[in-house]
Amino acid sequence: QSALTQPASVSGSPGQSITISCTGTSSDVGGYKYVSWYQQYPGKAPKVMIYDVSFRPSGVSNRFSGSKSGNTASLTISGLQAEDEAEYYCASYTSSSTRVFGSGTKVTVL
Amino acid sequence: QVQLVESGGGVVQPGRSLRLSCAASGFTFGSYGMHWVRQAPDKGLEWVAVISYDAINKYYVDSMKGRFTISRDNSKNTLYLQMNSLRPDDTAVYYCARELEGFDNWGQGTLVTVSS
Repeated sequence: QSALTQPASVSGSPGQSITISCTGTSSDVGGYKYVSWYQQYPGKAPKVMIYDVSFRPSGVSNRFSGSKSGNTASLTISGLQAEDEAEYYCASYTSSSTRVFGSGTKVTVL
Repeated sequence: QVQLVESGGGVVQPGRSLRLSCAASGFTFGSYGMHWVRQAPDKGLEWVAVISYDAINKYYVDSMKGRFTISRDNSKNTLYLQMNSLRPDDTAVYYCARELEGFDNWGQGTLVTVSS
C-alpha cells in the first residue's frame, strides 16, 4: 500500500493554470472512478475539492477540475489565486477495499 | 450542519494503549461509512481504517493491522479507534472523516504523542 506519487511542489503566477499529477497503479487509480483531491492549509483539516475523478462538491470553485488517464489522475487549478497556495493530496479507493493517499504537493503562488 | 469532534488524544508511553473517539452530529451517522486518517508532524496524510455503516466490514492499512481496531456505536453516534502497542512513529494528528462525496467532512483532529 504505497502512497500514490505526486510532485513535491508546483508553482505558478496569479492567473495561470497549473496541473498536479497523481500516479498509482491498476489496483487503485487506474482501476476505479474513486479518485478524490483535498486541499489542506497548515494546521487545518483537509477539504475535498474533487471526488469521483471529476466531480466538484457544492461550494468549490469551478477553477478546480479533475481528470484521469490510465493510472494517473490530475487536478487542474485555473486562474490561480493567492488563496490557492496550500498542500494538495489525492486519494484513491483500492482493490483491497482500502484507501490510499498521495504523497502531497505544495502549491506556491509566485 | 455536519460536525465531527475527535477526542481521546494525548501523550502516551510506547507500548501502551489509547482509544480515540469521534462524536458525530448533524447527519444520520448510521447511514455512512466512516474513516480514520492520520498525519504525522510535517508529513502527509495517511489513511488508517474504514468501517461500513453497519460495522460489518472493516479494513485497515497493512502497517496497522492487528494493532488498531476501528469500531462504532450507532446508538451513540460515535466512532472509535482502539490503538494498542503504540510506537513513537504513531505520533500524529488523528482525524475522523465521513465518506460520501470523497471524504466530505472531517473533524478537527486529535493529537496523539507517543513518547517516554
